[in-house]
Amino acid sequence: AQSVTQLDSQVPVFEEAPVELRCNYSSSVSVYLFWYVQYPNQGLQLLLKYLSGSTLVESINGFEAEFNKSQTSFHLRKPSVHISDTAEYFCAVNHQSDTGRRALTFGSGTRLQVQP
Amino acid sequence: DAGITQSPRHKVTETGTPVTLRCHQTENHRYMYWYRQDPGHGLRLIHYSYGVKDTDKGEVSDGYSVSRSKTEDFLLTLESATSSQTSVYFCAISESIANYGYTFGSGTRLTVV
Repeated sequence: AQSVTQLDSQVPVFEEAPVELRCNYSSSVSVYLFWYVQYPNQGLQLLLKYLSGSTLVESINGFEAEFNKSQTSFHLRKPSVHISDTAEYFCAVNHQSDTGRRALTFGSGTRLQVQP
Repeated sequence: DAGITQSPRHKVTETGTPVTLRCHQTENHRYMYWYRQDPGHGLRLIHYSYGVKDTDKGEVSDGYSVSRSKTEDFLLTLESATSSQTSVYFCAISESIANYGYTFGSGTRLTVV
């Protein structure tokens, strides 16, 4: 079985400060990892993904995440946040069920609150 | 998101009544998914589909059924709604089972009173 743990339910931070949102997964097989962002009253949008290759992946709006196999982590970071980054962030792993079929399993989410 | 539409956007229904939510896509993607979102739980998979008439249960499928008679439509039915099914329901589509991530609809907010 695979699960995803997001260690912080809320992260308050001041504008222009750095931030890290933590994500750990449990899996005994190779995984595909994703970060999604949800702005208020909207659906989820794909932020970035790790499939293979370089362990550091980046998004177009300055976020990056690093896949660490030994620590089973996929933490999301941004060196300087903006008010507009205020949203809920979900980590997800592509989970393979007992039937061999795949679907995304999500963490419980981290609410990033950027304060002026 | 463009290419995926959920209806209705909001619904209030009474306990014990059947409810059907619709997900419609114009992307011709093979894979479709229904999730529910609840505070503290993130998104949990209800049912998913690998193609027309090919569906499977997720982790929270009790009390729900699905149907997919056409590639573009994936219906979620609450057979007899209960207050515990008050939630926001999201549909998602995917071109691949592993590599591409999902595109999500805007969600349906369902309240069971």
